[in-house]
Parts: sequence; structure tokens; C-alpha cells
Amino acid sequence: KAGVTQTPRYLIKTRGQQVTLSCSPISGHRSVSWYQQTPGQGLQFLFEYFSETQRNKGNFPGRFSGRQFSNSRSEMNVSTLELGDSALYLCASSLAPGQGIEVDGYTFGSGTRLTVV
Amino acid sequence: AQSVTQLDSHVSVSEGTPVLLRCNYSSSYSPSLFWYVQHPNKGLQLLLKYTSAATLVKGINGFEAEFKKSETSFHLTKPSAHMSDAAEYFCVVSDQNDYKLSFGAGTTVTVRA
Repeated sequence: KAGVTQTPRYLIKTRGQQVTLSCSPISGHRSVSWYQQTPGQGLQFLFEYFSETQRNKGNFPGRFSGRQFSNSRSEMNVSTLELGDSALYLCASSLAPGQGIEVDGYTFGSGTRLTVV
Repeated sequence: AQSVTQLDSHVSVSEGTPVLLRCNYSSSYSPSLFWYVQHPNKGLQLLLKYTSAATLVKGINGFEAEFKKSETSFHLTKPSAHMSDAAEYFCVVSDQNDYKLSFGAGTTVTVRA
């Protein structure tokens, strides 16, 4: 089966701009979560969506937002980019936490590498 | 609240020797535990998972881990390291009530020829 698809793979943006990242989950997976990976902070949870509803959000400023569509695809948006937003952004999908972990666990995409200059 | 501590930031082994990566966790509920591997410039690949079934969990590529509730540990082992095992490894905890994964800081594995 097709894996988790994240687009684009690489992005270079200027401070102050905004960016939108996309994630298409595995077919049948309804939960999508986002993580930020940086050398200094490691992997940090951004937010999780299930059936178009955000169920949890990490400790990030309001510049970070997301949404999920009826087909389970998800986007995250970062407005007013800062140099510190440079990171690898990873998306993970699962059947549904609490129901699907036992079966598939969480499957990660290859990530979007965002560089802010 | 849940958290994970990976006790070694870097492990170096010779090819063909055993690998041990140590992980302790903290969780308020019955946790699900995972080990993921990340090769350079790649995403995360699931090695194995524990979800309250057998405490000894076998994963891909010869890796296994043992869940020890009394020690709150979930150490990862492999009897014989291969050059392709050089990567970063993450111990991860999740509980079903807050819909997120909490990652350890990672252990970088180097394999010497």
C-alpha cells in the first residue's frame, strides 16, 4: 500500500513569509499528526487531527496552525516565518489512536525540510 | 503526563557484536511503546511496538525489545550489529488519551567495521 506522502520535500522561505505543508495519509487512516524535528529540540508534537477535528495541540505559538479535510489529508501552515522555524516537519498517520495502534502503529512520511533565510 | 529518557546519546559497536539501547519511560496510563529508526535525511521507520500484549516484542531486522513494567524500561537489543544499523534510534511513548507521541532525545548508533 502507498505510504504517507508529504509535499513538498524541500522548501526555502524568507523570514516573514508564510508556508503551507501537505500530508496525505495511508488510505483508510483517519488520524494525522504533525511533528517538528530540530537538532536542538529533537522531535516535538505540533497537533493531531481526526475526522477534521483537532484533538490535541503541542506547545507552539499560534503562528502554527493546521487542518484536516474530509478525505483525511492534512495541511499545516506557519505564518510570519522566523529563522527558528527551520526544521524537518514530519507527518504521521494511523488508523485511529486507541483503535489502530495495535494494528499499524504510526507511519511517518519522509518529511518536508523547511529552511527559513 | 508521559515522557521518555534514552540513557545513551551515542552508542558505538563493532560489526557482529550485540547492540543495547536503553530507554526508560514515564506514563500515567498503560502506555504503548515504540522504537523508531531514522537514517540520515530520511523519515522515521517503525522497528517494533508494545501495546500490552507479549512483553518481549520482536521487530524488523533482528531487533527486539522487552517491556519491564517494574523497571519502567523498554530496552532495544540486537544480537549482531550490521553496518546498515548505523542510524539514530528513538524510543517513543504514547497513551491513548492525548493522541500524541512523546519522543526520547535519540541514540546515535555507530557501527565499526
